[in-house]
Amino acid sequence: AQSVTQPDIHITVSEGASLELRCNYSYGATPYLFWYVQSPGQGLQLLLKYFSGDTLVQGIKGFEAEFKRSQSSFNLRKPSVHWSDAAEYFCAVANSGYALNFGKGTSLLVTP
Amino acid sequence: DVKVTQSSRYLVKRTGEKVFLECVQDMDHENMFWYRQDPGLGLRLIYFSYDVKMKEKGDIPEGYSVSREKKERFSLILESASTNQTSMYLCASSFPGREETQYFGPGTRLLVL
Repeated sequence: AQSVTQPDIHITVSEGASLELRCNYSYGATPYLFWYVQSPGQGLQLLLKYFSGDTLVQGIKGFEAEFKRSQSSFNLRKPSVHWSDAAEYFCAVANSGYALNFGKGTSLLVTP
Repeated sequence: DVKVTQSSRYLVKRTGEKVFLECVQDMDHENMFWYRQDPGLGLRLIYFSYDVKMKEKGDIPEGYSVSREKKERFSLILESASTNQTSMYLCASSFPGREETQYFGPGTRLLVL
């Protein structure tokens, strides 16, 4: 079965520092991968997705992610974090029934 | 803009009550989903629907049922609410296809006393 692991439950970064959130997937064929962000009290918003083509994917809000088949990873990156990026981030893989299997999430805290 | 709305942001119910959570989308999406979100567990799929009157069980369907009588509306029903159903419930919708983006509603935070 398709599954996603986010190894970091909490991450703290200073404003202006770079960010990398890790995501590892388990899937036999080419996975359909997503990163979503959830701000406090809000629903989830899509940051970016990958299903084919260029393995470096650009998303909204200055985020990017790189698909690495050899490492079964789809890590999310941002070169310079803003205080408004504090949120919970979810990596997900689409299963054969079109629903999403989510990781357990990484909570990002941004310090001044 | 795609809009997915949920009938309530916060809901407090008593154990044993029948609870209805409603979700409406305005993008003519075929697929609709109900997820449950709990701290440390991420989002787990309860049910999804790929067409009117069609439904499929997700990972945790026990204690829940769903109804989809119209394309734009997908209801989650807790037949007899229990305290372990206290949670955040998120509705989503999308076009068919694994590459399609799911659009989420703001969520309903349900407390069962």
